[in-house]
Amino acid sequence: SAVISQKPSRDICQRGTSLTIQCQVDSQVTMMFWYRQQPGQSLTLIATANQGSEATYESGFVIDKFPISRPNLTFSTLTVSNMSPEDSSIYLCSFRLADTYEQYFGPGTRLTVT
Amino acid sequence: AQKVTQAQTEISVVEKEDVTLDCVYETRDTTYYLFWYKQPPSGELVFLIRRNSFDEQNEISGRYSWNFQKSTSSFNFTITASQVVDSAVYFCALRVWSEKLVFGKGTKLTVNP
Repeated sequence: SAVISQKPSRDICQRGTSLTIQCQVDSQVTMMFWYRQQPGQSLTLIATANQGSEATYESGFVIDKFPISRPNLTFSTLTVSNMSPEDSSIYLCSFRLADTYEQYFGPGTRLTVT
Repeated sequence: AQKVTQAQTEISVVEKEDVTLDCVYETRDTTYYLFWYKQPPSGELVFLIRRNSFDEQNEISGRYSWNFQKSTSSFNFTITASQVVDSAVYFCALRVWSEKLVFGKGTKLTVNP
């Protein structure tokens, strides 16, 4: 398996500000994913981050609110824009290795918006 | 559309008891993948197992075992001789060709000493 890291691990932010979360994988991966886990809830896919093309967003998530970058095959960022308390969640990046079907997750970024 | 149902919201057992976590899935695809993940209180999601739709062999890994039955669309997870460190939320998930993982709502397992 590959090693995946996220920064920051947690943050407390003010309403109306933006936070960019970084995800780094130590192997080249084709597809990376961003998930949100609201308090006490399951995981919901925000978008699929494709290298060299626009991210694909799931229903209920829009690029203006959650812009994503994927500049290369090992790195991606998710920005949570104009935050409100409802954005308080754990944000997790995920990837699948090309030669297996396992899907792994980063340690998550725990975001609290006040 | 794909769906994963984990009917057990919370389970509480005493250490050394066996416990089974249920997972029922729905999909019309003939090729799919099933997963179990563990989320301890620290929050990270730990991969436990992946099973392909064309491989119905049950699997055992130490105290963990998985029972995959296509006839009942179930992929249940059993922990034998549970330990306090097994306390976590366990998620079952399904993926089809779209690469999108669909998660169940999770089962919170508490193992009491």
